[in-house]
Amino acid sequence: DTEVTQTPKHLVMGMTNKKSLKCEQHMGHRAMYWYKQKAKKPPELMFVYSYEKLSINESVPSRFSPECPNSSLLNLHLHALQPEDSALYLCASSQDNPGDGAFFGQGTRLTVV
Amino acid sequence: AQKITQTQPGMFVQEKEAVTLDCTYDTSDPSYGLFWYKQPSSGEMIFLIYQGSYDQQNATEGRYSLNFQKARKSANLVISASQLGDSAMYFCAMRGWANFNKFYFGSGTKLNVKP
Repeated sequence: DTEVTQTPKHLVMGMTNKKSLKCEQHMGHRAMYWYKQKAKKPPELMFVYSYEKLSINESVPSRFSPECPNSSLLNLHLHALQPEDSALYLCASSQDNPGDGAFFGQGTRLTVV
Repeated sequence: AQKITQTQPGMFVQEKEAVTLDCTYDTSDPSYGLFWYKQPSSGEMIFLIYQGSYDQQNATEGRYSLNFQKARKSANLVISASQLGDSAMYFCAMRGWANFNKFYFGSGTKLNVKP
């Protein structure tokens, strides 16, 4: 069982909707990540939070808005998405140490209609 | 800059046989970590094995071993005694000291295990 929990597992939303993806980890990790993954492609980094502060934004459009309420929670707020934003969104967490791997959640499969 | 290359888009292996998935990397960082992940069709990325750049011995985790050749900048994953459940995408990834909040992923290898 994964120790990173993402909800919901599936989401269908219209282009005018506002929705949020949620991620929770209880491993005491201080770095949390959002990745976007298209079919048959590697994950693409979107955002990194380190010690609850946004440390990396990979030039993601403003219709994606991350939030880290505390060290265990990570949200991704979605607004006015486009059909091309349909993808698997993966949350991950890790220690702040290059020797540690990242642990991923099961992902949210997002479809924008 | 960091770069990970996986040159095998797809591979087939017979059940119970061993298979090697290739990974080469390029980095100017003197210290880094190398990782392999498995992604079944369900979508979850499963952490398999880690190798540190200063580790003298190759990493092993159960049926997984990492053939690390630092001079060649390669970190191949060896799966012994393949099982049907090993059918999945496999990603090689790297994390360096200089920018350790970034994981760099290769393009992946789709492994199919035949009964």
